Amino acid sequence: DVKVTQSSRYLVKRTGEKVFLECVQDMDHENMFWYRQDPGLGLRLIYFSYDVKMKEKGDIPEGYSVSREKKERFSLILESASTNQTSMYLCASSSLTGRDEKLFFGSGTQLSVL
Amino acid sequence: AQTVTQSQPEMSVQEAETVTLSCTYDTSESNYYLFWYKQPPSRQMILVIRQEAYKQQNATENRFSVNFQKAAKSFSLKISDSQLGDTAMYFCAFWGTGNQFYFGTGTSLTVIP
Repeated sequence: DVKVTQSSRYLVKRTGEKVFLECVQDMDHENMFWYRQDPGLGLRLIYFSYDVKMKEKGDIPEGYSVSREKKERFSLILESASTNQTSMYLCASSSLTGRDEKLFFGSGTQLSVL
Repeated sequence: AQTVTQSQPEMSVQEAETVTLSCTYDTSESNYYLFWYKQPPSRQMILVIRQEAYKQQNATENRFSVNFQKAAKSFSLKISDSQLGDTAMYFCAFWGTGNQFYFGTGTSLTVIP
């Protein structure tokens, strides 16, 4: 069964901490995405990557960075966590070439910044 | 950028009844894909149904079907014979020529026993 795995389901961090959210997919997908989900705002794209070491800003990249050193792993980094980054974070992946593909999601990380 | 609009933040339906969730989108592209995703309380996003814009026929998956109106840029989801397990947040999504998926703000559906 195909999988996108996020390392933590719940995280509690303090303001100013550096936070790493990890995501691993086992489908050899080229594309990987990080979304933030907030009530009433839907899913908003933070960053995406279409290849190793490649990254593109999404709609809300401020305060975040990403790393993709290996094809299967895409990390989201909060350099200095702030309370307004408390949210649900969803990782997803998809095939670059297959237009009949879909977006595969991880089960999400609920991050609370205190 | 593409936009996806879901104008119904919350809906409810009696078990075994039919409900329709609305979605409109804005794009200048001619070839694209539209999706409905379901997010139950477990938070796992699940693909419900997918429609390719160049296909005239509306997609169906068991109790789920869509009404795709390309000229009107409308993509509604109909759930027939609603079941308690259909209670979830439903997101409409668009995927065009870029690699980005664009999502609506979601509709929270509650199925009432």
